Amino acid sequence: DSGVTQTPKHLITATGQRVTLRCSPRSGDLSVYWYQQSLDQGLQFLIQYYNGEERAKGNILERFSAQQFPDLHSELNLSSLELGDSALYFCASSEGPARATDTQYFGPGTRLTVL
Amino acid sequence: AQSVTQLGSHVSVSEGALVLLRCNYSSSVPPYLFWYVQYPNQGLQLLLKYTSAATLVKGINGFEAEFKKSETSFHLTKPSAHMSDAAEYFCAVRGHGSSNTGKLIFGQGTTLQVKP
Repeated sequence: DSGVTQTPKHLITATGQRVTLRCSPRSGDLSVYWYQQSLDQGLQFLIQYYNGEERAKGNILERFSAQQFPDLHSELNLSSLELGDSALYFCASSEGPARATDTQYFGPGTRLTVL
Repeated sequence: AQSVTQLGSHVSVSEGALVLLRCNYSSSVPPYLFWYVQYPNQGLQLLLKYTSAATLVKGINGFEAEFKKSETSFHLTKPSAHMSDAAEYFCAVRGHGSSNTGKLIFGQGTTLQVKP
């Protein structure tokens, strides 16, 4: 158990809908990262927050957005869903923003299926 | 731009045999390198990491990796495979210095099969 929790574990929805994925980082970790794992794209970095502020953005679609709240939990919002958004979405957390000693601990993931 | 290439999407070994999973990196800055393992239906677990200290890095479950700058490689090895090592393994790179972000760039992954 990494200490990172993600809810829900599974999500099945229809095209055009909007969903919210939730992540709680390990106690004491200030950075949260979101990654997408799909068969065709592999594991891709989406976005990083550090202590409530956006730190880095990867290949995140405009239909996707995220935020980190004062209690440090994070939410990833996916809207106007398409079939191709079906994937495993991982959240990871680390203590700092980008120090050598920072290790990213991954949650169990949320499996999103868009029908 | 940073990237990693994992040579071989599938590797099959017999139980007790040497495990060698290959990873080559490309980075314009000194890299931090990582190996993660993903068991079925689970998240990623860190095996080991290189952060410019010793070039031979020992990790969990008997795995180790050697950073070779001249070959831009960071191959993962284990002297004797166990059935429980069957999983998908990911190599990842992160730059440091001016990039100031912890984002990881992953390779495509290597599925390790261990035969009895």
